[in-house]
Amino acid sequence: ETGVTQTPRHLVMGMTNKKSLKCEQHLGHNAMYWYKQSAKKPLELMFVYSLEERVENNSVPSRFSPECPNSSHLFLHLHTLQPEDSALYLCASSQASSAGYNEQFFGPGTRLTVL
Amino acid sequence: AQKVTQAQTEISVVEKEDVTLDCVYETRDTTYYLFWYKQPPSGELVFLIRRNSFDEQNEISGRYSWNFQKSTSSFNFTITASQVVDSAVYFCALSDHTGRRALTFGSGTRLQVQP
Repeated sequence: ETGVTQTPRHLVMGMTNKKSLKCEQHLGHNAMYWYKQSAKKPLELMFVYSLEERVENNSVPSRFSPECPNSSHLFLHLHTLQPEDSALYLCASSQASSAGYNEQFFGPGTRLTVL
Repeated sequence: AQKVTQAQTEISVVEKEDVTLDCVYETRDTTYYLFWYKQPPSGELVFLIRRNSFDEQNEISGRYSWNFQKSTSSFNFTITASQVVDSAVYFCALSDHTGRRALTFGSGTRLQVQP
């Protein structure tokens, strides 16, 4: 059983809707990530949170808004999306330390379709 | 800038054949980490191995083995006696030591193991 869960697993939304993706990690990690995986591009990093602070925003449009209320939870708020935003959104967590970068553990993803 | 190249888009083998997945990376850092992940049809990325840039020893884990060659910037992955359950997309990834904690992924290699 994975230590990273994501809900919902599938989401269909219209371009005017507002929805949120949720990620929860049960591994005691201190860093969480959002990635986007679409058919035409490799896995793309969207956001990185370390100790609940956003440390990276990889030029993501403002229609995607992340939130990290604590080290175990990560949200991705969506509003006025475009059809090209349809993709698999993956959440990951890791234990980052000064000694190095540990492996990231991924959730099952949310398959998003924007109509 | 970092880059990971997986030149093999798709490989098809028959069960029990050995198969090698290639990974070539580019980085200016002297300290970095390399990873392999497996993505089965369910979508979840499964961590397989992490290797740091100072450890060039090859590793074997059951039917899996990894060949890290710093001189050619390659980190290849071999599956011995492949099985149908090995069918998945395999990603090679790279992280650096500069504070950017995210992974740079290759485009993935889809492996189809036929019975």
